[in-house]
Amino acid sequence: DVKVTQSSRYLVKRTGEKVFLECVQDMDHENMFWYRQDPGLGLRLIYFSYDVKMKEKGDIPEGYSVSREKKERFSLILESASTNQTSMYLCASRAVLNTEAFFGQGTRLTVV
Amino acid sequence: AQKVTQAQTEISVVEKEDVTLDCVYETRDTTYYLFWYKQPPSGELVFLIRRNSFDEQNEISGRYSWNFQKSTSSFNFTITASQVVDSAVYFCALSPRGTYKYIFGTGTRLKVLA
Repeated sequence: DVKVTQSSRYLVKRTGEKVFLECVQDMDHENMFWYRQDPGLGLRLIYFSYDVKMKEKGDIPEGYSVSREKKERFSLILESASTNQTSMYLCASRAVLNTEAFFGQGTRLTVV
Repeated sequence: AQKVTQAQTEISVVEKEDVTLDCVYETRDTTYYLFWYKQPPSGELVFLIRRNSFDEQNEISGRYSWNFQKSTSSFNFTITASQVVDSAVYFCALSPRGTYKYIFGTGTRLKVLA
């Protein structure tokens, strides 16, 4: 079974802190994603990575950056957390284009 | 424009009832892929089905069935004899061929009452 693991289920951070959300997949997938999920808005793509050190901005990249130094790991970075970044963050991976993605369990981040 | 609409925000049914979740999509591409995911309270989205635009055959998997109609741009999902464990948020998604993105609907929350 594909396993996508996010480092934390719940996080509480203070405004202005630098926050790292980590995601690891164990299926040698090329593509990895970071989504944000908010009520009524569905899933919105923050960043996508199609290979090691390669990334594309998604629909809402502002305030975020990403890092993919190894194929299995994709990190989401909030450079200076703000209260409007309080949300559920979902990581996903997939083998190739147009196949199904596999999701992690999500990280619920609260910025106070 | 590419868009997925799940007009039903929340549905409540009593156990053993059948329920259909609607999904309507928009795309100008002739080749695309459609997906359904289930998000139980635990939070992880679970893949249910993938269908390409050239395959309009309906699919049945146990109590789940999917009706793909290209003429109406719909990909509806029916749960037969619903169970409490079916309670979740269900997402429909579109992925045009050759693009890396998924376009997700806003989800339908299904509550199955005992």
